[in-house]
Amino acid sequence: QKEVEQDPGPLSVPEGAIVSLNCTYSNSAFQYFMWYRQYSRKGPELLMYTYSSGNKEDGRFTAQVDKSSKYISLFIRDSQPSDSATYLCAALYGNKLVFGAGTILRVKS
Amino acid sequence: DVKVTQSSRYLVKRTGEKVFLECVQDMDHENMFWYRQDPGLGLRLIYFSYDVKMKEKGDIPEGYSVSREKKERFSLILESASTNQTSMYLCASTGVESRGGTEAFFGQGTRLTVV
Repeated sequence: QKEVEQDPGPLSVPEGAIVSLNCTYSNSAFQYFMWYRQYSRKGPELLMYTYSSGNKEDGRFTAQVDKSSKYISLFIRDSQPSDSATYLCAALYGNKLVFGAGTILRVKS
Repeated sequence: DVKVTQSSRYLVKRTGEKVFLECVQDMDHENMFWYRQDPGLGLRLIYFSYDVKMKEKGDIPEGYSVSREKKERFSLILESASTNQTSMYLCASTGVESRGGTEAFFGQGTRLTVV
């Protein structure tokens, strides 16, 4: 079993939709949780990170962590074609950094 | 605002060559990582380092070695490049930030083709 599981998609939505991207993890020691966006042929860029449980909002993006169910979510409001990319979740504790497989998101105009 | 820099964006090497991929971070991070990313396989950890001269094998270390002589620099070495090492290579670093949190940053990636 992978320590961080993520549905690879692809997920296709119309412009303006609310997008929900999700990951689950198995190791309760993870403390920091991150979301990355990766455009084709580029390195991943950090979108948001959260520590422990709770929500964090930044513009159209909201990251949510539920440690009791080991569930990580990223919500994108008013999705735009420019949001089309691969989104990777990651979990970190100490020097152990584990990524999900990435979800391909396509926002159609 | 560059935080993690990889020396090359694109490389083409011949089978059997020794290949060096360099990664430099300017955040004084303790931990540095090398991944390869292949379609359908996601990110796979090759090696990581938690301090100068310290290294740990990741999930797929075969055919690779690493060097960390200085805190800011982590090098990945392909001892004898083979075609199955054609991939996108990503360097990342993590450390405690000034605000007390921890973040991980990636370099822009090196797309290596072995012919």
